[in-house]
Amino acid sequence: QSVLTQPPSVSAAPGQKVTISCSGSSSNIGNNYVSWYQQLPGTAPKFLIYENYKRPSGIPDRFSGSKSGTSATLSITGLQTGDEADYYCGTWDSSLSAGVFGTGTKVTVL
Amino acid sequence: QITLKESGPTLVKPTQTLTLTCTFSGFSLSTSGEGVGWIRQPPGKALEWLALIYWDNNERYSPSLKSRLTITKDTSQNQVVLTMTNMDPVDTATYFCAHRPGSGWYFDYWGQGTLVTVSS
Repeated sequence: QSVLTQPPSVSAAPGQKVTISCSGSSSNIGNNYVSWYQQLPGTAPKFLIYENYKRPSGIPDRFSGSKSGTSATLSITGLQTGDEADYYCGTWDSSLSAGVFGTGTKVTVL
Repeated sequence: QITLKESGPTLVKPTQTLTLTCTFSGFSLSTSGEGVGWIRQPPGKALEWLALIYWDNNERYSPSLKSRLTITKDTSQNQVVLTMTNMDPVDTATYFCAHRPGSGWYFDYWGQGTLVTVSS
């Protein structure tokens, strides 16, 4: 039972843009940094974004993150077939004193 | 280069206790700020945060599973151990361990995961 809500799926044609929302509350997203992870089929999650918008080295700038209030967004521009994966947001929940992940979003390249 | 690898049984019976070991390299859990966490993922479902242990032995647990979980570390062996009691078929999942860097809350390196099936 995730406390962060994401749309189950988003899709777009190659080269287009998709955005994935992550909705939480003041105890998690509202007062803590958000991170994002990409999970290709059958593999472990891969670290994509940290502290709301920062990219680790090696992550292309086609991936960007933002946060406003109690919601965060991951955007993928110039969509490629290799971007087909599940994407998860994550953050700390100060009320739970525990980490939390989103419900996950499947990105499909049409 | 940071690497992590999970090990443990692939099959446990209902009511048994699961013990998983995360063996890591490339960092030390005696370094201020460092942490190692456990996350699981039932087949076809979302990631679920389970537990985290910090360099100073502070522990954090998912409230819904806290009564069943224990996380410990062996700094000299570069290992973190997760035990989960009273296993049930709904606990069937791939279990991942991951590195939490000292600078913030996120997991930057993940193990490959280990599938644990709970069945009699």
